[in-house]
Amino acid sequence: DAGVIQSPRHEVTEMGQEVTLRCKPISGHDYLFWYRQTMMRGLELLIYFNNNVPIDDSGMPEDRFSAKMPNASFSTLKIQPSEPRDSAVYFCASTSVGGRYTFGSGTRLTVV
Amino acid sequence: TQLLEQSPQFLSIQEGENLTVYCNSSSVFSSLQWYRQEPGEGPVLLVTVVTGGEVKKLKRLTFQFGDARKDSSLHITAAQPGDTGLYLCAGAGTNAGKSTFGDGTTLTVKP
Repeated sequence: DAGVIQSPRHEVTEMGQEVTLRCKPISGHDYLFWYRQTMMRGLELLIYFNNNVPIDDSGMPEDRFSAKMPNASFSTLKIQPSEPRDSAVYFCASTSVGGRYTFGSGTRLTVV
Repeated sequence: TQLLEQSPQFLSIQEGENLTVYCNSSSVFSSLQWYRQEPGEGPVLLVTVVTGGEVKKLKRLTFQFGDARKDSSLHITAAQPGDTGLYLCAGAGTNAGKSTFGDGTTLTVKP
């Protein structure tokens, strides 16, 4: 298995622009998580899905953030409009029950 | 809300030294995972401990789960520069599938 695949690896965008981050989880994993990591706040859970259904989005910072999982092999995290404070590394992870997460390599987002 | 506290937050040692990092909570976890994250990459699972009192060894790394399944420790013997990274513990609780992550211990091993 190729693991959890995220794209792009790096994204630099101007404030106010829309940003879409993509994730392909491991086949057979029925949980998918979106995390944001910064030096100040560490690893923060934004939202997670179970069988493509959003279960808990309480970590999504604002309405500017949205996430979808149209099928078992694809998820997106969208920020519209983006702001400089959104700059961080965004990770996608997948797992089955048991807590053994497999993380992607992350998307480093810089909003200028 | 289940919280995991890791200590120390930062640790800088010389190659060859031993070290222990801790992961503590007031909550009981069904299992606990340790991850290592290197710069520019996502966290990678090192080990899962499930049974209270369980000890697992991975080469120079020794992981222990507390008897009450509320805490864990990671001991590294004869640390090497390749051990440098962010060590995260994560506890799997009653909410199936979702784990709680600690804030991590940043380890630097100087040659």
